[in-house]
Amino acid sequence: QKEVEQNSGPLSVPEGAIASLNCTYSDRGSQSFFWYRQYSGKSPELIMSIYSNGDKEDGRFTAQLNKASQYVSLLIRDSQPSDSATYLCAVGSSASKIIFGSGTRLSIRP
Amino acid sequence: SQTIHQWPATLVQPVGSPLSLECTVEGTSNPNLYWYRQAAGRGLQLLFYSVGIGQISSEVPQNLSASRPQDRQFILSSKKLLLSDSGFYLCAWQGQGIEQYFGPGTRLTVT
Repeated sequence: QKEVEQNSGPLSVPEGAIASLNCTYSDRGSQSFFWYRQYSGKSPELIMSIYSNGDKEDGRFTAQLNKASQYVSLLIRDSQPSDSATYLCAVGSSASKIIFGSGTRLSIRP
Repeated sequence: SQTIHQWPATLVQPVGSPLSLECTVEGTSNPNLYWYRQAAGRGLQLLFYSVGIGQISSEVPQNLSASRPQDRQFILSSKKLLLSDSGFYLCAWQGQGIEQYFGPGTRLTVT
């Protein structure tokens, strides 16, 4: 069964520091990778997509992909209290389905 | 731009009662549509997905059903709710790649 694994946290990071979130996946043939942010009581919001090995930067967010190690990460620079949320890693399973991890809860302490 | 709507936003229903949740998408044609459930503190469980009108794929056997009567409308139903049906129900549509975009969700409490 295809799986996406994340540490559930909580991960506590001081304001202004770099938050590092990690994810591993089981399907070596996966080609599409996503990070979603979910605030408490709200629906998930897509914040990053990455399709090829290496880094992809968007503002304070950097997604990193290593297909050989089946590893995806999300770095959040200059962490803000508003970054406190649950971050879901998601991996494309087929042309029409995505498998989600259970999420990592991130807390930014002032 | 595309917009996805879900209603109701919250719902409290007794055990054994019927359920109907609705999802509509604007600004796109023939989207792939999805129903997920998220139990408290848990991950997303894919319940159903649809690639077109009348085409429904079920991922998990349960007492729920789904229908797609129109291109941009997706409905989740149950004839008799169970306590275990409580959760946060999310509808999503698939974008140009395979990324998915979620609606605001319906929080269902079965009492």
